[in-house]
Amino acid sequence: SQTIHQWPATLVQPVGSPLSLECTVEGTSNPNLYWYRQAAGRGLQLLFYSVGIGQISSEVPQNLSASRPQDRQFILSSKKLLLSDSGFYLCALEAGPVEAFFGQGTRLTVV
Amino acid sequence: AQSVTQPDIHITVSEGASLELRCNYSYGATPYLFWYVQSPGQGLQLLLKYFSGDTLVQGIKGFEAEFKRSQSSFNLRKPSVHWSDAAEYFCAVGAMKTSYDKVIFGPGTSLSVIP
Repeated sequence: SQTIHQWPATLVQPVGSPLSLECTVEGTSNPNLYWYRQAAGRGLQLLFYSVGIGQISSEVPQNLSASRPQDRQFILSSKKLLLSDSGFYLCALEAGPVEAFFGQGTRLTVV
Repeated sequence: AQSVTQPDIHITVSEGASLELRCNYSYGATPYLFWYVQSPGQGLQLLLKYFSGDTLVQGIKGFEAEFKRSQSSFNLRKPSVHWSDAAEYFCAVGAMKTSYDKVIFGPGTSLSVIP
């Protein structure tokens, strides 16, 4: 069965520091992968979407970037974190027609 | 454009009482509809989904939802709530697209359960 590993589970970073969140999947090949952000008390905002290695889609202007160096690896990055980057970051894969299967998330606090 | 509304930001029910969480969507055709649950500090778990066919769908943990096309609704129900059901619930609408924005999530409804 498919699984998603996200790490770290929690992270506290100072403003201006870099960020790298990693998501790896198992039990599936060539998955479509998503990065979502969930701000406190708010719903999910889609940040990035990837259909394959090196293929990243995003229309949300932001301080973040994503990369997909391997089929089952999806990385969320920032060169300089802002306070507004705090939130709960979720990696997900497309488990069926439009159906998302989520990882356990990373709680990022920028201080 | 697709959109999802969940009119209730927060609901409190007593354990053993029935539950209904509301979800309304906007979409030009019959969408794919989902309900997800999120326990505190955790990722989202799929409760149930509707693609076609019987408009009353059964999910995990004793939940069910009914698709009503005339009302553009997909409300989630449970006849008897357990304390472990306290969580955040998200309704989502999806469409088969080649673009990235295939799934839109509602803002969520937070459920509290009183013993």
